[in-house]
Amino acid sequence: EVQLVQSGAEVKKPGESLKISCKGSGYSFTSYWIGWVRQMPGKGLEWMGIIYPGDSDTRYSPSFQGQVTISADKSISTAYLQWSSLKASDTAMYYCARLYSSSSSRIIDYWGQGTLVTVSS
Amino acid sequence: DIQMTQSPSSVSASVGDRVTITCRASQGISSWLAWYQQKPGKAPKLLIYAASSLQSGVPSRFSGSGSGTDFTLTISSLQPEDFATYYCQQANSFPALTFGGGTKVEIK
Repeated sequence: EVQLVQSGAEVKKPGESLKISCKGSGYSFTSYWIGWVRQMPGKGLEWMGIIYPGDSDTRYSPSFQGQVTISADKSISTAYLQWSSLKASDTAMYYCARLYSSSSSRIIDYWGQGTLVTVSS
Repeated sequence: DIQMTQSPSSVSASVGDRVTITCRASQGISSWLAWYQQKPGKAPKLLIYAASSLQSGVPSRFSGSGSGTDFTLTISSLQPEDFATYYCQQANSFPALTFGGGTKVEIK
């Protein structure tokens, strides 16, 4: 069974750093892109960026370039999303998601359960 | 970047109603369009991919159509479990994706 299991909720202060994780299981972790999606309180889904764990090819949405870092450790089938200096506006639910691509479909077929990040002084 | 515009942003409907949600891309995306349903506190769930293909296990009252820049999600007969927020998502620029702003389907 394919699963993406994310790390637990975090409460941080502005200016602090943070790294959240997404562990994949039940499939070949290096063969699928893993993306990150932000959902601010009461708002819609925002695509942040994506990584291909097989070769660490990483792409960022222009809105998030330079704001976060996406990485992966294929030896432990885990993708990461990190901030060097959090802001209150980073308060949101963050989802990781697996992308499936074929000749006829390009979809997010599995989602993590979400990690709630709260940034408050 | 490809922008996705959904309308309406919210719709009030009754059980049994036919509901239509539209999604417009800022440039042609062929049929690389998916629809997701999200309920409060839950991760999104895939409903439709490739503009009109029904994901396995999704009820047949959901259907999608369109190509190029204009797309539609239709719920033929709204059921109580369908009250949720719906998002379109383009995959033409895969692996860079974009979501629409969402449409909340509320009980009338």
